[in-house]
Amino acid sequence: DAGVIQSPRHEVTEMGQEVTLRCKPISGHNSLFWYRQTMMRGLELLIYFNNNVPIDDSGMPEDRFSAKMPNASFSTLKIQPSEPRDSAVYFCASRPRQGTYNEQFFGPGTRLTVL
Amino acid sequence: SQQGEEDPQALSIQEGENATMNCSYKTSINNLQWYRQNSGRGLVHLILIRSNEREKHSGRLRVTLDTSKKSSSLLITASRAADTASYFCATDAVAGGTSYGKLTFGQGTILTVHP
Repeated sequence: DAGVIQSPRHEVTEMGQEVTLRCKPISGHNSLFWYRQTMMRGLELLIYFNNNVPIDDSGMPEDRFSAKMPNASFSTLKIQPSEPRDSAVYFCASRPRQGTYNEQFFGPGTRLTVL
Repeated sequence: SQQGEEDPQALSIQEGENATMNCSYKTSINNLQWYRQNSGRGLVHLILIRSNEREKHSGRLRVTLDTSKKSSSLLITASRAADTASYFCATDAVAGGTSYGKLTFGQGTILTVHP
């Protein structure tokens, strides 16, 4: 298996622009997680899905952030409009099945820089 | 302070020495996991210990869990330069015996192993 795939790996944009991050989870996994990592705040859970349904979005910082999972093999995290404080590394992770396997498999991350 | 705090924040040792990292948490857990992150990469799962386990081994890794003290430790024996990375503990919290289904990560310990 190729593992969790994220794109792009690096994104540089200007303040006010829309940013879309993409994630393809491991085939057969039914939970997907979006995290944000910064030096100041560490690794924060933004939102997670079970069977394509958002379960907990309490970590989404504000309405500028939105996430979708239209099917089991694809998810997006969108920031509109982007701000410099959104600069961070965004990770996507997937998990086989809640309850039995709790290990999460992380993608390589997208490094976002908002100028 | 947040769930899953690691101690120390940074650890510098010589190759061949043992490295011990500690993690404290606040709530009841289903399990506790340790992850490793190499610079610029995603997190990789190392080991999971369930709440009814006290000790677990995997290769050069040894994890202990003390639920009465709400603490865990990760021991890496005979360290190698390739072990240089950040190490995170993550807790799978429960309420009423039911997992929330998500992990809360600590701030991590930066381990440097000098050749």
